[in-house]
Amino acid sequence: DGGITQSPKYLFRKEGQNVTLSCEQNLNHDAMYWYRQDPGQGLRLIYYSQIVNDFQKGDIAEGYSVSREKKESFPLTVTSAQKNPTAFYLCASSLRWIMNTEAFFGQGTRLTVV
Amino acid sequence: AQSVTQLDSQVPVFEEAPVELRCNYSSSVSVYLFWYVQYPNQGLQLLLKYLSGSTLVKGINGFEAEFNKSQTSFHLRKPSVHISDTAEYFCAVSDYSGGGADGLTFGKGTHLIIQP
Repeated sequence: DGGITQSPKYLFRKEGQNVTLSCEQNLNHDAMYWYRQDPGQGLRLIYYSQIVNDFQKGDIAEGYSVSREKKESFPLTVTSAQKNPTAFYLCASSLRWIMNTEAFFGQGTRLTVV
Repeated sequence: AQSVTQLDSQVPVFEEAPVELRCNYSSSVSVYLFWYVQYPNQGLQLLLKYLSGSTLVKGINGFEAEFNKSQTSFHLRKPSVHISDTAEYFCAVSDYSGGGADGLTFGKGTHLIIQP
């Protein structure tokens, strides 16, 4: 089955640690995205990638980093510089960057700082 | 720049009653419009989309939406809701000026609560 897979589903991080969230898609999509979701705030764009080996900052990129070395993979690292990382993180992909196509979402990773 | 306003953060409705979830957008160019649904602790699933053509768009699970360019609105409707429709609903907009797209901008969501 084609789709987009995020792992892990739940993640706990200690203060000062970096953690990496995995996102893999087998839909052969060019574009991939990372969103952060907080209660009552909707989805905010962290980073996006229009094509492999390219990525751009979104609205709230500070404290996060990404890579796009393979078309199917777009991991997100939450660094210790992110002051308030506890949130629900959603990865998405679309056939191409121009958004007249459906974006497919993963099931999300819930990150909690302990 | 594009933006989306969902006027209601919560909408309580009795089962089998009709519902309308409101969405207004702001953009100076042509837009693509979407409604997504999110069930608890899950990702988002596309309900319907407006790209061009007929302003009345039908989606999954009996939902429909109407694009109104003059009012810059894209309200979501269902004539009779079911308990399983309880979820968070997100309106999203993407504008395409020809020189490039701004990606997808989401509203803050409306929590639809179905009461028995």
